[in-house]
Amino acid sequence: DQQVKQNSPSLSVQEGRISILNCDYTNSMFDYFLWYKKYPAEGPTFLISISSIKDKNEDGRFTVFLNKSAKHLSLHIVPSQPGDSAVYFCAADIIQGAQKLVFGQGTRLTINP
Amino acid sequence: NAGVMQNPRHLVRRRGQEARLRCSPMKGHSHVYWYRQLPEEGLKFMVYLQKENIIDESGMPKERFSAEFPKEGPSILRIQQVVRGDSAAYFCASSPRLAESSYNEQFFGPGTRLTVL
Repeated sequence: DQQVKQNSPSLSVQEGRISILNCDYTNSMFDYFLWYKKYPAEGPTFLISISSIKDKNEDGRFTVFLNKSAKHLSLHIVPSQPGDSAVYFCAADIIQGAQKLVFGQGTRLTINP
Repeated sequence: NAGVMQNPRHLVRRRGQEARLRCSPMKGHSHVYWYRQLPEEGLKFMVYLQKENIIDESGMPKERFSAEFPKEGPSILRIQQVVRGDSAAYFCASSPRLAESSYNEQFFGPGTRLTVL
């Protein structure tokens, strides 16, 4: 049972434009959500997170939006840069307990010059 | 401050052999998580350990897989009698677990890519 889903395996965006990556989840117990960026042959690197008590969190070019009623979150990158080309994973967590992350399948983002 | 270290980075085993994957957490971190990533999939939780204790192994296959995090030395993920389906990237993450009521960031290592021939 896939509790966290990223339905777009890949996304191609022109440099300078906005990249929007989407993620859906099914478990209403999740109360913390994260985005990780991953380059080939490297481990995931934390990008940005959001608690379930918020609906938006911004850090520089990166903004995460959370819609709890729709069980949906999105990552906006603006403006997109060539160095943003990577695989992006959405992850969800339950703060109380083991804090074991549940990951989506990933979206491969390609920024075209 | 060195990050999470994993070795070997690449491991090739024949069916039936044993695989041992090592993870050294960041300095000061006493909590370790292991995740597995199959080709074209996301990372999946396997096991969560503290020093000398397995806290949650709900993601570990019931047979052939075991993990430990001794008082001294790295955490070890051991896979006995490997099969082709064990081929994957295995990631370790460490956390300081400073607070139980807030999120404790997990820092990931570069992974070990296991190939079973």
